[in-house]
Formats: sequence, structure tokens, C-alpha cells
Amino acid sequence: GDSVTQMEGPVTLSEEAFLTINCTYTATGYPSLFWYVQYPGEGLQLLLKATKADDKGSNKGFEATYRKETTSFHLEKGSVQVSDSAVYFCALSDSGNRLAFGKGNQVVVIP
Amino acid sequence: DVKVTQSSRYLVKRTGEKVFLECVQDMDHENMFWYRQDPGLGLRLIYFSYDVKMKEKGDIPEGYSVSREKKERFSLILESASTNQTSMYLCATSPTNYGYTFGSGTRLTVV
Repeated sequence: GDSVTQMEGPVTLSEEAFLTINCTYTATGYPSLFWYVQYPGEGLQLLLKATKADDKGSNKGFEATYRKETTSFHLEKGSVQVSDSAVYFCALSDSGNRLAFGKGNQVVVIP
Repeated sequence: DVKVTQSSRYLVKRTGEKVFLECVQDMDHENMFWYRQDPGLGLRLIYFSYDVKMKEKGDIPEGYSVSREKKERFSLILESASTNQTSMYLCATSPTNYGYTFGSGTRLTVV
């Protein structure tokens, strides 16, 4: 079935550093791809999305490009802030209405 | 903005109790979902519903049931709570293949 793989382990970095979180997917069709963010004690919020190959989703300084050739949707931000500390989930949606989620990555930004 | 409201943020129940978790959305979305979130396991789909009185099993339905009598309300029922059902429970809603809107979550502890 469709699945999403995120890089293992938490990510710790200093304020203003460059952030990359890797996400690769396996899907039989042409999925839509999403990044969700979960701040402490809250539910998940949609951060950005892309619905077809070569689309770039962007929001709040975060970007991700839908790469069909490498089946990837890596999340990047050029200069992180302490307020970006959260858990980030990559997800895909196939032709149905279900989302398949990655296991998430805890990001900790140190002042 | 769509609002998804979960009735309780924190809940403590005893083993063997019947537990009801309620989720209400304020838009006319057809699709509603229940997930549980556990450290290291990410989000796992318990049940979902595409319409009133319709329900489909997700990946981990054992020990749970659901009810959707009205379009805006989707209830998750733990028939006889057990300690291994201690978790964060997240409700989500979606109109189409667009991505989900999540509630804030209910942290359930079964003692």
C-alpha cells in the first residue's frame, strides 16, 4: 500500500540554521503530498501541500517540492526560529480520502 | 476556517469502563477520521466515515467502535477501556482529497 518514510530521529539545531527534513513516498498512483506541523499540546495543522509533480508548496518560510523522479517531498526552511520547534509529519493522499502519515520528526531549535 | 472540536483535552478512565470520545465539525464535510498517536509509532488510523451512518475500519480498529448519526458528529467508543489504550486521540475532517483539519486532541489515560 501507499506509505511515507521520514528520516529517523529528532533534529536539533541552532536558531537561524538551515532546516531539512527528508520525506520519501511509495504510491501506485499520483498522490497529493502534505506537510503537517504539531506544536506542543496541540493537534496537527496543515503547513503546506503539493498536488502534482514539480509543484512547490510554501508557507511561513517553509518550502517543499514534489519530486516524482525521486519520489520525495523534502521540507526546508532557510533560517529557523525557536518558535519552529514542533513535530513535523509528511503525508500523502491517494485517489481516495485517506492520508498516510510518516512517523514524524521532532525539531528542537536552540536559541 | 473549519473548526473541529474534541469534547475533552484530558480524560482519565478506569480499566473496563466504556469511554466515549466526541468530535464535532462546524462545516459540511463528508469525511471524518479517528487516529491515535503514540511516541515512535506516529499516527495510526482507527476508523473513518465517508457519510452519515457509514463507517470503515482503519488499521487498528480492535477494541474500538464508532458512531456517526449526524454529519457533524463522529464519536469514538472504547467498549471496555484497557491500559494499552492510553494514548492521544485525534479527530480530523476533510471535504475531498484536500488534506485534513485536525482537532486539538484528547489525551486519554486508562488506569
